Amino acid sequence: AQSVTQLDSQVPVFEEAPVELRCNYSSSVSVYLFWYVQYPNQGLQLLLKYLSGSTLVKGINGFEAEFNKSQTSFHLRKPSVHISDTAEYFCAVSDGIQGAQKLVFGQGTRLTINP
Amino acid sequence: GAVVSQHPSWVICKSGTSVKIECRSLDFQATTMFWYRQFPKQSLMLMATSNEGSKATYEQGVEKDKFLINHASLTLSTLTVTSAHPEDSSFYICSARGELGNSPLHFGNGTRLTVT
Repeated sequence: AQSVTQLDSQVPVFEEAPVELRCNYSSSVSVYLFWYVQYPNQGLQLLLKYLSGSTLVKGINGFEAEFNKSQTSFHLRKPSVHISDTAEYFCAVSDGIQGAQKLVFGQGTRLTINP
Repeated sequence: GAVVSQHPSWVICKSGTSVKIECRSLDFQATTMFWYRQFPKQSLMLMATSNEGSKATYEQGVEKDKFLINHASLTLSTLTVTSAHPEDSSFYICSARGELGNSPLHFGNGTRLTVT
């Protein structure tokens, strides 16, 4: 069975500072990894995904993530955050082909940007 | 870009009544739709997978008779919460993907259900 652990439930950061949101996964098969952002009372928006190839994945809004197989991690980073990045961030894993898309989500990390 | 529309965005109902939530793919045909439930400050929990023209596949612990799912067309799936109780109050989110094997997943904006 797959599982996803987001190590930090809340991350407060000052505006323009860098941020890293941590995500670790467990799976016995090849995985596909995703980061989603959720703004209050809204659905999820895909930030980025890792399917294969380069382990450094660049996404929207200046975010990037690095897949580390040996450490079973997929941490999300942004070099300089903005107030508008305040949201809930979810890491997710899928074990099947992309088309299966049955996702297992982590617990979420609330990113709060302070001025 | 591809859009998934959920309706209503919020609903308040009395205990014992039923509520229907619609999930529509607006510019693509969705062969598979997923229904999630999210409690406050918690993650999304998959409730069921809905395939057009066939019965939904429910996750363990989800009551089939309570959460009725219908996926009668390639652009519409509905979730009906029957005989709702206050503990059913939650945020329900649907997602949908297209027909091609590499189609991405798109999420609706969710429905906040409050049962009084």
